[in-house]
Amino acid sequence: DAKTTQPTSMDCAEGRAANLPCNHSTISGNEYVYWYRQIHSQGPQYIIHGLKNNETNEMASLIITEDRKSSTLILPHATLRDTAVYYCIVRVATGNTGKLIFGQGTTLQVKP
Amino acid sequence: DAGVIQSPRHEVTEMGQEVTLRCKPISGHNSLFWYRQTMMRGLELLIYFNNNVPIDDSGMPEDRFSAKMPNASFSTLKIQPSEPRDSAVYFCASTVGAGNQPQHFGDGTRLSIL
Repeated sequence: DAKTTQPTSMDCAEGRAANLPCNHSTISGNEYVYWYRQIHSQGPQYIIHGLKNNETNEMASLIITEDRKSSTLILPHATLRDTAVYYCIVRVATGNTGKLIFGQGTTLQVKP
Repeated sequence: DAGVIQSPRHEVTEMGQEVTLRCKPISGHNSLFWYRQTMMRGLELLIYFNNNVPIDDSGMPEDRFSAKMPNASFSTLKIQPSEPRDSAVYFCASTVGAGNQPQHFGDGTRLSIL
């Protein structure tokens, strides 16, 4: 599975959009991009995933560049409850290769 | 809908004792994963089951660790004998199928070995 690179930490003002970048320059054509977050002392929470098209759900939007070498997770109106570690993961989604490889993630601090 | 349920939430025991962690996956999910999280190593996969069969146990640290899935609604992770370096948060996750569906995690078991 391709490796990802994320900034170690980011700050965001409450009510503003939080844009979290992720580089995955070695991604293969059959690898999806997944985003999870982990709020202190809780289990990782699934946010969104995509292959090549932009995706949106009730939590966030995922923008994937045309060459698929990077992506951005957008939280449109960040709240204090969005303070967490955000993980960007790429993995093949076929066959019995269910492994998620977590990196160090980005610690997002939402400030009042 | 009930999510992934893990028990106990916290476990404190002495070195050398047997520890059993339990997981109930989301109903209808047929893939189950055990992860371990420490400050030093982050989140790492220990073992993965599909349709109750272990598929990948390459992350199990050593023979002291074993995992079973006797049926679709229950799995255990056992450590015998336990050591202080096993102290960590252990997470269970489940998903449906072997495609691109996301994994859903439980709230974990915080294990402390004294």
